[in-house]
Amino acid sequence: KAGVTQTPRYLIKTRGQQVTLSCSPISGHRSVSWYQQTPGQGLQFLFEYFSETQRNKGNFPGRFSGRQFSNSRSEMNVSTLELGDSALYLCASSLNFRQGYNEQFFGPGTRLTVL
Amino acid sequence: EDQVTQSPEALRLQEGESSSLNCSYTVSGLRGLFWYRQDPGKGPEFLFTLYSAGEEKEKERLKATLTKKESFLHITAPKPEDSATYLCAVPGGANNLFFGTGTRLTVIP
Repeated sequence: KAGVTQTPRYLIKTRGQQVTLSCSPISGHRSVSWYQQTPGQGLQFLFEYFSETQRNKGNFPGRFSGRQFSNSRSEMNVSTLELGDSALYLCASSLNFRQGYNEQFFGPGTRLTVL
Repeated sequence: EDQVTQSPEALRLQEGESSSLNCSYTVSGLRGLFWYRQDPGKGPEFLFTLYSAGEEKEKERLKATLTKKESFLHITAPKPEDSATYLCAVPGGANNLFFGTGTRLTVIP
């Protein structure tokens, strides 16, 4: 069974630009969550999508947004990039039989560098 | 407020030297505790889920245990390939995970 895939793996952008990251979950998984990982803050939850609806959102500014498509694939977008947005962005998928009880399986991440 | 604290931050072991990593948590109504392994530049790899105090799970040289306040990840006779950052997490909401800061394990040959 194929794992979670994320594209692109690496991105370099400049301040003020916007970026879109893509995530394909494990086949059959309907929940997709996004996390930001930095050396200083560790892994922090961005948002979670289920059946094309955002169900939960972390404490990030509105510049961070996402969506989910009918095939469960998800994208996240960051507008007006800042230097502090440089991070590893991770996508995780789960079956979501019951909220909060499901193992999440992570993709390899997208390394975003903002210059 | 839910909190997850991992200790130590870093651990260096000789190959074959067993030890334990700690994850203490403060949550209102535990709905599971998850252990992950993360190699540099990669996404976390799922290891274990523990749901109730007293539960134990094993995988190769790793054994995870859970009490009402903390979880331990025991590493028996570690090998250099066990070097990684080990993360624990608890559900923080509908379907998100609240992670600790991790323990960076280095196993020296």
